[in-house]
Amino acid sequence: DVKVTQSSRYLVKRTGEKVFLECVQDMDHENMFWYRQDPGLGLRLIYFSYDVKMKEKGDIPEGYSVSREKKERFSLILESASTNQTSMYLCASRGQGAREQYFGPGTRLTVT
Amino acid sequence: AQRVTQPEKLLSVFKGAPVELKCNYSYSGSPELFWYVQYSRQRLQLLLRHISRESIKGFTADLNKGETSFHLKKPFAQEEDSAMYYCALSGYGQNFVFGPGTRLSVLP
Repeated sequence: DVKVTQSSRYLVKRTGEKVFLECVQDMDHENMFWYRQDPGLGLRLIYFSYDVKMKEKGDIPEGYSVSREKKERFSLILESASTNQTSMYLCASRGQGAREQYFGPGTRLTVT
Repeated sequence: AQRVTQPEKLLSVFKGAPVELKCNYSYSGSPELFWYVQYSRQRLQLLLRHISRESIKGFTADLNKGETSFHLKKPFAQEEDSAMYYCALSGYGQNFVFGPGTRLSVLP
């Protein structure tokens, strides 16, 4: 059974803080993704990675960066958190050649 | 450009009534279509994919390439079907594009 875990379920940070969201998957998947989920907007892709140390911008990368030093771990970084980054953040992984994505439980981030 | 639309933000039906969640897409090619579901306090999970042509939890969805639609249907809604439903598409070797979602509320 695929397991995607995220470091925190809830996080409250102040404006200007540097924020790290961690995601780990245990199925040796090559592809990993970070989305934000907002009411009425669905899921929007922030960044994705198809291999260790590789990263690609998604649809809304501004204000975010990512790191993938190990295959199982994909980190999302908010260099200087702002209130408009308050959202639910979902991590997902997918095997090479597969279509289905597996999602983590999400991190609800509030920036005050 | 790839795009998925779900015209209803909220759909309320009574228990035992039929339900149809609409999904339309735009894509130049042959995409694969999916329905994902998120129950309260649970993670997003795959409900079904068009290529499997199967029924999951009583739900079915047929890909209509002429109308570029992939509507999700169930003949008799149950209260446990209340959830957020997302339609998504993926082209070969490409990332997913998700619709904005429809919240289904099944009333007792």
